[in-house]
Amino acid sequence: KAGVTQTPRYLIKTRGQQVTLSCSPISGHRSVSWYQQTPGQGLQFLFEYFSETQRNKGNFPGRFSGRQFSNSRSEMNVSTLELGDSALYLCASSPPSGRVSNTGELFFGEGSRLTVL
Amino acid sequence: GQSLEQPSEVTAVEGAIVQINCTYQTSGFYGLSWYQQHDGGAPTFLSYNALDGLEETGRFSSFLSRSDSYGYLLLQELQMKDSASYFCVGGRDDKIIFGKGTRLHILP
Repeated sequence: KAGVTQTPRYLIKTRGQQVTLSCSPISGHRSVSWYQQTPGQGLQFLFEYFSETQRNKGNFPGRFSGRQFSNSRSEMNVSTLELGDSALYLCASSPPSGRVSNTGELFFGEGSRLTVL
Repeated sequence: GQSLEQPSEVTAVEGAIVQINCTYQTSGFYGLSWYQQHDGGAPTFLSYNALDGLEETGRFSSFLSRSDSYGYLLLQELQMKDSASYFCVGGRDDKIIFGKGTRLHILP
């Protein structure tokens, strides 16, 4: 069974640009959630999508957005990049019966490491 | 605010037992999970306590006490490959909150 796949693995952008990251969940998983990981703030929840609808959202500005497609693949977009957006962006999927907040088990991808110059 | 507190670093000896504590500052978490993350790798699920008490999975055990807003991860028979960061994770109000992580150093 293939795991969670994130692309691209590494990317470099400059301030003001935008970026789109992609996540393909484990087959059969309908919930996809996104996280930002930085040395200073640790892992922070961005948002969760389920059946193409944003179900939950963390405390990030509107520059951070996402969507989910009918095949459960998800993308997140960050517009008007700032230096502080440099981070590892992780995507996780969870089984159909679970919600991010009480499912217990999340299956993470390897992440997309974004560097903003 | 909502937060989970865990020690930033812990050091233990190979073959020994180590406990990583997690305390939380808010009530109402649905449960407490634990994840392991090696440098450059993805977090991987270790255990989940939906109810108070002890959950055991091989060399790893996790404990939760809601009345004390406290949980811990116990690692037994430590191996060098257990050197990693460990995160406690709580879910509440449809949001998920991570502890800052505990870096486990294992000495031979």
